[in-house]
Amino acid sequence: QSALTQPASVSGSPGQSITIPCTGTSSDVGDYNSVSWYQQHPGKAPKVMIYDVSNRPSGVSNRFSGSKSGNTASLTISGLQAEDEADYYCSSYISSTVVFGGGTKLTVL
Amino acid sequence: EVQLVQSGAEVKKPGESLKISCKGSGYSFTSYWIGWVRQMPGKGLEWMGIIYPGDSDTRYSPSFQGQVTISADKSISTAYLQWSSLKASDTAMYYCARQDLWGQGTLVTVSS
Repeated sequence: QSALTQPASVSGSPGQSITIPCTGTSSDVGDYNSVSWYQQHPGKAPKVMIYDVSNRPSGVSNRFSGSKSGNTASLTISGLQAEDEADYYCSSYISSTVVFGGGTKLTVL
Repeated sequence: EVQLVQSGAEVKKPGESLKISCKGSGYSFTSYWIGWVRQMPGKGLEWMGIIYPGDSDTRYSPSFQGQVTISADKSISTAYLQWSSLKASDTAMYYCARQDLWGQGTLVTVSS
C-alpha cells in the first residue's frame, strides 16, 4: 500500500492557525475512522496528538484538532506557539495494517 | 502512570540475532493492541506490525512479513520484536506504540 500524502513543509506565525492535510484513498482514510496524528521533535519519540480522526489523548492541548472529509484528514493547530515547531505524521488503518504519511515539517516563523 | 518502556540501545554485527522488548504498565496490557514502528536515520515512520497480547493475534506489514517476529508475554506485560539474522539495513530506531501512547524507542545499530 502507498504512503499517505502530506506536504513536506508548512509554516505559520505565532498565534496563527495552520492546517496540515493528509490525503489517502477510499481504501484507507476514506474507509476507516482510524486516522491518527503524531508530533515528533528532533531526537524525541513521536507523541500521539490525535487518534480516531478527532480524539485527543489526555494531556494534549485543545489547540490541536483533527477532522476528515472524504479521503483527506486534517490536523489543525490554533494559536501557534514556538514549541509546536516539529515534524508531524499522519497514519491510517487499512485492511489489518497501518500506513503512515511521509511527514510534514512545521516551522513557526 | 500509563507507560510503555522499551529496552536499551543495541549494537550488533550482521548475521546476529536480536530481541528487543516493550513493557507496558499502568493499564490492562491484554486489552490494547501494541504495534512496532521503524524509523531509519533521518527518515519517516514505517509501520511494521501489531499484536494483541490478549490472544497473541499478530498482523504484519507486507514489507516486514518474514523479516521480523512480533510476540508478547502477557504474564509480564511485555511485547517483543525480534530478528534472526540482522543486516546493516536494520540500523534504525524502533518504537512500540499503543493507539494513544508510544515508547521511548530502542536504537539498533548493526555494523561489522
